[in-house]
Amino acid sequence: EVKLVESGGGLVQPGGSLRLSCAASGLTSSRYWMTWVRQAPGKGLEWVANINQPGSEKYYVDSVKGRFIVSRDNAENSLYLQMNSLRGEDTAVYYCARARVGAGLDVWGQGTTVTVSS
Amino acid sequence: DIQMTQSPSSVSASVGDRVTIACRASQDIGNWLAWYQQKPGKAPNLLIYAASTLQTGVPSRFSGSGSGTDFTLTISSLQPEDFGTYYCQDANTFPLTFGGGTKVEIK
Repeated sequence: EVKLVESGGGLVQPGGSLRLSCAASGLTSSRYWMTWVRQAPGKGLEWVANINQPGSEKYYVDSVKGRFIVSRDNAENSLYLQMNSLRGEDTAVYYCARARVGAGLDVWGQGTTVTVSS
Repeated sequence: DIQMTQSPSSVSASVGDRVTIACRASQDIGNWLAWYQQKPGKAPNLLIYAASTLQTGVPSRFSGSGSGTDFTLTISSLQPEDFGTYYCQDANTFPLTFGGGTKVEIK
């Protein structure tokens, strides 16, 4: 069974940091681009970041550039999102997903919740 | 950045009805469009990619069409399990923008 499982979410104060992880099983994630998508409470989906197979290309939505870093460890079949200088507007459920170039996100994790609040 | 605009924002229809959701891109995106269904509290599920290609396992009552800037998702005969919110996405150009969503309710 192909599965993605996120972890690392929680409550953090504004200005704090958090590192999300996404563990892949049943698939060799190193063969695919990987994506982070988030969804604020009661809102729509927002693409956050993409990383290519070797981790040499990374793309971010403008609102997180300079604060978030996407990375991967292909040996561990894992994806990460280091989130720094967190703001209230970063409060969301964060999903990792497998990306097929030009063909959408076909495997998703269950999501992990990040709450930024004092 | 490319903007993706969906309409309507919500639709209420009866079982058996034909439902159509529109998605418009602010620039030509060819056929690089994906559609997703999301149910409350769950992750999205890919329905269609490349504007009109049905993802494996998705019922054939779902179909997609369009190219360039104007796209459509059609549910040919609405079923009770089709409730949820539907999103389109530019699948090719960073940022990979999603549309605002269309909530489908069963009457």
